[in-house]
Amino acid sequence: DAGVTQSPTHLIKTRGQQVTLRCSPKSGHDTVSWYQQALGQGPQFIFQYYEEEERQRGNFPDRFSGHQFPNYSSELNVNALLLGDSALYLCASSLVDRANSPLHFGNGTRLTVT
Amino acid sequence: AQSVTQPDIHITVSEGASLELRCNYSYGATPYLFWYVQSPGQGLQLLLKYFSGDTLVQGIKGFEAEFKRSQSSFNLRKPSVHWSDAAEYFCAVGTISNFGNEKLTFGTGTRLTIIP
Repeated sequence: DAGVTQSPTHLIKTRGQQVTLRCSPKSGHDTVSWYQQALGQGPQFIFQYYEEEERQRGNFPDRFSGHQFPNYSSELNVNALLLGDSALYLCASSLVDRANSPLHFGNGTRLTVT
Repeated sequence: AQSVTQPDIHITVSEGASLELRCNYSYGATPYLFWYVQSPGQGLQLLLKYFSGDTLVQGIKGFEAEFKRSQSSFNLRKPSVHWSDAAEYFCAVGTISNFGNEKLTFGTGTRLTIIP
């Protein structure tokens, strides 16, 4: 039973560039959430997708956008990269319509902006 | 808005000794509380969760946590730590909607070092 998989594992970009991160949820899960974890900090909620729609959003600018595909996989896009966007980006999946469904996290994508 | 405080940034414990990691939360309703562990370069693994019922929750790897509403706390404990427990530990409070766990708010984490 595959868990949450994320790609790539590491990425180096230059300020001003755009980046796309990918996530495949755990088998059977239909909801995907994205978190940003800066160095030495706890993860911060970016947004959550279900049925290909953004359901909830954290305090992140519009430069952060996402998408969910019919197979439940998801992408996180960040435009106009800033040095401060350097972080570990975590994807988490869960099952909608099931009370108390805990999040299952992937190992993350380490983004470095230079 | 909900928030989580983990007052200890770094804790060092001898192998075989007991462990308690502190977590305090702020949330207007009945909280849904979690402890996650993160090894270097890895994602987060769920140790245990509290939704309702018994305030003493058992988790994986011999961990347990106790929910104390009067103190707004959810401290993590283990009677005897192993070198493999060295990691970063995060406490989180979750908001719940009809969709299940909508989002988690994490503390800043406690780094656990084990000495022989």
